[in-house]
Amino acid sequence: NAGVMQNPRHLVRRRGQEARLRCSPMKGHSHVYWYRQLPEEGLKFMVYLQKENIIDESGMPKERFSAEFPKEGPSILRIQQVVRGDSAAYFCASSSTDYNSPLHFGNGTRLTVT
Amino acid sequence: AQKVTQAQTEISVVEKEDVTLDCVYETRDTTYYLFWYKQPPSGELVFLIRRNSFDEQNEISGRYSWNFQKSTSSFNFTITASQVVDSAVYFCALTPNAGNNRKLIWGLGTSLAVNP
Repeated sequence: NAGVMQNPRHLVRRRGQEARLRCSPMKGHSHVYWYRQLPEEGLKFMVYLQKENIIDESGMPKERFSAEFPKEGPSILRIQQVVRGDSAAYFCASSSTDYNSPLHFGNGTRLTVT
Repeated sequence: AQKVTQAQTEISVVEKEDVTLDCVYETRDTTYYLFWYKQPPSGELVFLIRRNSFDEQNEISGRYSWNFQKSTSSFNFTITASQVVDSAVYFCALTPNAGNNRKLIWGLGTSLAVNP
């Protein structure tokens, strides 16, 4: 499968735990984006990364959220000390460039905080 | 302001009916891209089409067609002879700034139910 791979598909965490969401972009894509989809809301941009660099994190909450895209391995979205309001679907997308190429999305990770 | 409005929250049709999903957008940019994505019940987001602001030609792909009208700032999506497998949430999206992926602005989606 050459598409964007996200895991896990579903993640349940208790309040205060850490959540780690992984994303492997499509082959040949070096641009990765994370979006959050809350119930009754559209998708919201969180962060844009290229290999080893965070380019734009203007959509990330200031605390508890971080993202990385190391030279080797998948991109990771990390949420520390999760709260119930973090429950959402988190989508990763990749593209071959930041401009003029469509985003290809993974299946998403559905995070539930209990 | 940059905005995408999908006024239809939910649509229900019977199989084989034609259905049109509306999308109205607002932007001050002269160069922009419009998109449609499909989110079936399994949850993934599937890219359907991208259209740039200089290309007003309508597009047809099988049972799907798109009508882009700059005069009314609309980019409507029609499914002809709908099928149960078309049941999904459909999102319209806009990138201002000549297609910068970071700035994708999404509508809230239209949930389409195609009943047998």
